[in-house]
Amino acid sequence: AQKVTQAQTEISVVEKEDVTLDCVYETRDTTYYLFWYKQPPSGELVFLIRRNSFDEQNEISGRYSWNFQKSTSSFNFTITASQVVDSAVYFCALSEAGNTDKLIFGTGTRLQVFP
Amino acid sequence: EPEVTQTPSHQVTQMGQEVILRCVPISNHLYFYWYRQILGQKVEFLVSFYNNEISEKSEIFDDQFSVERPDGSNFTLKIRSTKLEDSAMYFCASTNNEQFFGPGTRLTVL
Repeated sequence: AQKVTQAQTEISVVEKEDVTLDCVYETRDTTYYLFWYKQPPSGELVFLIRRNSFDEQNEISGRYSWNFQKSTSSFNFTITASQVVDSAVYFCALSEAGNTDKLIFGTGTRLQVFP
Repeated sequence: EPEVTQTPSHQVTQMGQEVILRCVPISNHLYFYWYRQILGQKVEFLVSFYNNEISEKSEIFDDQFSVERPDGSNFTLKIRSTKLEDSAMYFCASTNNEQFFGPGTRLTVL
């Protein structure tokens, strides 16, 4: 069965701190995709990244970086030098290839960045 | 940049009433989805739609729910007889690899 676990319910940091959001997933498929979405207070879901199961290279995009480790079934997300605008709920999600691509979401981590 | 649009942004209805939530997916996408997010909770898959029929639905998507693509652009979610527990944010999405989500419709059932 597919499952995504985000054990951190809420994280609070002060601006300019680095913060890592954890994501652990379960799947029986060998081909799958992992996602991160940001949900700001306005409520929309903003796509951040999609990674397929065959690409374990870490990715960096500005202050954002992602660490994908199949050995531990984790896809962690780090924000470097956090800013107040990063305050949001962050969701990790999984989809299995050939399974209509539906997304299975984790419960989300609420990040609060204080000035 | 193309985007998924949803109307209305907020719908208030009385319990037992029918509601139709509307979505316009990105034009060259083939798979369409509805998801639900009860306030403060995670986003849950409701249904996926491909080639003018439902390809998968979750346990949440019972007989009270239906989806339709009435023309070449709109994709609708109908709830026949709303219950208090249907109050949630409903997101439409479409995909060509990445799932693009609409801004959501907040449904409030009184």
